[in-house]
Amino acid sequence: GEDVEQSLFLSVREGDSSVINCTYTDSSSTYLYWYKQEPGAGLQLLTYIFSNMDMKQDQRLTVLLNKKDKHLSLRIADTQTGDSAIYFCAEHGSGNTGKLIFGQGTTLQVKP
Amino acid sequence: DTEVTQTPKHLVMGMTNKKSLKCEQHMGHRAMYWYKQKAKKPPELMFVYSYEKLSINESVPSRFSPECPNSSLLNLHLHALQPEDSALYLCASSQVGQSNEKLFFGSGTQLSVL
Repeated sequence: GEDVEQSLFLSVREGDSSVINCTYTDSSSTYLYWYKQEPGAGLQLLTYIFSNMDMKQDQRLTVLLNKKDKHLSLRIADTQTGDSAIYFCAEHGSGNTGKLIFGQGTTLQVKP
Repeated sequence: DTEVTQTPKHLVMGMTNKKSLKCEQHMGHRAMYWYKQKAKKPPELMFVYSYEKLSINESVPSRFSPECPNSSLLNLHLHALQPEDSALYLCASSQVGQSNEKLFFGSGTQLSVL
């Protein structure tokens, strides 16, 4: 079945880079996503990568995709206190539906 | 505009109450979703509507009743809920409900059942 796994917690100092990792099982997913959730808020689509790409860069965010190992990572450069949140990676479930399967979420703590 | 609007933001209800959650989008999307999220957990899919028809029900108890009156609106009617139903209820939308589409989420309704 479909499964998405993430480590649960990451703590970094302000100004450092953060790397959040994710592994997934369904290699047929066309897109893979990163969502950000701040306390008490909904999910914000942070970035996404098409499955035939290895890397996507968007300002401070870099997404790396290793299809062979089914490994996805999100790198945040120059991490700020405002980046403190839970980060979910997600892939589409099987079948041609919009259903998203989420990882457990990684809580990013940024220390000043 | 990528906004999905949910009301109310917070709701407290008793186990005998009937209440409704509302969701609205004006992006022209034809697929809308209800997700349930418990604290510190990922969102879990409840229902999917595609072209105003229910396409997925993830074995949700009948005390939750979804309704899609038109392509912009999605409701979730609540009746005789249990305390364990307390959670953040998230609405999302996407173009037509296929597997290559981005989902856009609202900010959710935080529901407490007493």
